[in-house]
Amino acid sequence: ILNVEQSPQSLHVQEGDSTNFTCSFPSSNFYALHWYRWETAKSPEALFVMTLNGDEKKKGRISATLNTKEGYSYLYIKGSQPEDSATYLCAFGHGSGNTGKLIFGQGTTLQVKP
Amino acid sequence: EPEVTQTPSHQVTQMGQEVILRCVPISNHLYFYWYRQILGQKVEFLVSFYNNEISEKSEIFDDQFSVERPDGSNFTLKIRSTKLEDSAMYFCATLILAGVSSYNEQFFGPGTRLTVL
Repeated sequence: ILNVEQSPQSLHVQEGDSTNFTCSFPSSNFYALHWYRWETAKSPEALFVMTLNGDEKKKGRISATLNTKEGYSYLYIKGSQPEDSATYLCAFGHGSGNTGKLIFGQGTTLQVKP
Repeated sequence: EPEVTQTPSHQVTQMGQEVILRCVPISNHLYFYWYRQILGQKVEFLVSFYNNEISEKSEIFDDQFSVERPDGSNFTLKIRSTKLEDSAMYFCATLILAGVSSYNEQFFGPGTRLTVL
């Protein structure tokens, strides 16, 4: 059974703090690792898709790294803002090429206090 | 920016009733998916659909579930006889097959919250 785990489950930080979350996934038959940002009542929004070991991606204050050999990815948020409050989901892309299903972790819920 | 839309946003139904959840994919997207999240659990894959047929389905997707693209635009998920345990948020996702140098992202709709009483 393919399992994707995220930690921590939830996180409360002060505005301006930097934070990071972990996603662990099966290191065999790796295809891609996705990070999504999900605010309540909205569509999960794609942040990053990473496919190569050692990949690092950045979008503004958010960045992510990938280690496919040991099966983990980190998501970093620098200088958290209240608008960063959301649930961050990672998903392991599996199956027939890059159109296969996504296997999700349980998410990390971030609350940033002003 | 184009987006995936889903209707209704919330559906309440009695156990045993049929429900149809609707998704309007992004235009020119070719692959379609349904996922669901039961409260407090992980988002889980139900089914993928391409070229008017199911590509893959999970163990959850039994004979009570069906999908179709009746008019070439909407993509629907039907649950024939709902059970209490079908209560969940149901997400539609769509994907365009990008070039070989690109990886394809799945774009998600906002979800339909199904409550079975």
